[in-house]
Amino acid sequence: DVQMTQSPSSLSASIGDRVTITCRASQGIRNFLVWVQQKPGKAPKSLIYAASNLQTGVPSRFSGDGSGTDFTLTISSLQSEDIATYYCLQYNTYPRTFGQGTKVEI
Amino acid sequence: EVQLLESGGGLVQPGGSLRLSCAVSGFTFSAYAMTWVRQAPGKGLEWVSVITGSGNRTYNADSVKGRFTISRDNSKNTLYLQMSSLRVEDTAVYYCATGREFDFWGQGALVTVSS
Repeated sequence: DVQMTQSPSSLSASIGDRVTITCRASQGIRNFLVWVQQKPGKAPKSLIYAASNLQTGVPSRFSGDGSGTDFTLTISSLQSEDIATYYCLQYNTYPRTFGQGTKVEI
Repeated sequence: EVQLLESGGGLVQPGGSLRLSCAVSGFTFSAYAMTWVRQAPGKGLEWVSVITGSGNRTYNADSVKGRFTISRDNSKNTLYLQMSSLRVEDTAVYYCATGREFDFWGQGALVTVSS
């Protein structure tokens, strides 16, 4: 199985800060990576697919990068509504696997 | 507008069975693979099972293999998860999600396995 390792597990930042979350795959997954946002008490929501493509309606302050084993999710200017846990997910092979999550707080 | 609505969750005893449904609207259901993902209380997301658009292929996590069966009825735009031999560790909110890239998610259905 492909292991997905996110870092950090949690972070605290201020409004307007640039925030970067890293996801590393235990083997190459090409660009078959999704970033998912889950706000407290809510269902997950897909933000980015194919490592760098924004889902429709996602604010442009979110961006994704990477290929192979190393990926990043960046929030260019953190807003209060971005408080959530973020997960990476690989869909290159079965079983699909999630990272452990990164909790973003203010 | 794409909508996914899970139903069928509830309290069940260990060893029991339950069937979840996910009714979808707003897109061509049969054209897309569908996935179940679960989240145990206070834990992260766990991929459970996937089915192709036609329903002819499925894949399951090792943790549910032989106990859970994913299926779909494209005439009813509905996805199912038949769960049997349930264990306490299957307690979770179960989400359905669309497509290979998990484009849309339902609101979740809570399954509690407890005596």
